[in-house]
Amino acid sequence: EVQLVESGGGLVQPGKSLRLSCSASGFNFEDFALHWVRQSPGRGLEWVAGIDATSPTAVYADSVKGRFTISRDNAKNFLFLQMSDLRSEDTALYYCVKGGFQLLFHWFDPWGQGTPVTVSS
Amino acid sequence: DIQMTQSPSTLSASVGDRVTITCRASESINIWLAWYQQKPGKAPKLLIYRASNLEGGVPSRFRGVGSGTEFTLTISGLQPDDFATYYCQQYNSYSYSFGQGTKLELK
Repeated sequence: EVQLVESGGGLVQPGKSLRLSCSASGFNFEDFALHWVRQSPGRGLEWVAGIDATSPTAVYADSVKGRFTISRDNAKNFLFLQMSDLRSEDTALYYCVKGGFQLLFHWFDPWGQGTPVTVSS
Repeated sequence: DIQMTQSPSTLSASVGDRVTITCRASESINIWLAWYQQKPGKAPKLLIYRASNLEGGVPSRFRGVGSGTEFTLTISGLQPDDFATYYCQQYNSYSYSFGQGTKLELK
């Protein structure tokens, strides 16, 4: 069974940094693209970043480009999201999501349970 | 970026009803569309991919249709477990944009 378990969320002040982790199991981690998606009452579901399996090529939403960095450790089956210069609008539940063999043209399945990030002074 | 517009935002229905949710893309996304179901406190769950392919384990009362810019999700014979929020998502471009959601509630 594919499992994705996020961790690292919490309360952080504006302008600070936070690193999210996602532990994956139940599939050949190194063969699949992975993504971070966030959800908040004000912005709904919003894709944040994605990384392909091997290049690794990373892509970002405009709203986080230059502030967030997605990375992966294929040896340990972990996905990361380094978030810096955090803003109040980054407050959301962050999901780790499995994609397909390439970044595009593949749906998101499954989703982790999410880790909450609150940016507030 | 491709914008995804879902309608209606809220849908009231009864057990046994048939309901249809529409999702429109601001430009053609071919068949690269997924539908997800989300219940309170839970992560979204994949229902349909490639516009019309039913994910394994999803009941056949769920049906997705469409291509290009217009897509529908129809649920026939609503069951109590179906009352949830539904989202469409395009994965044709790197914005991977989602619709704003349709909350299906019990009438």
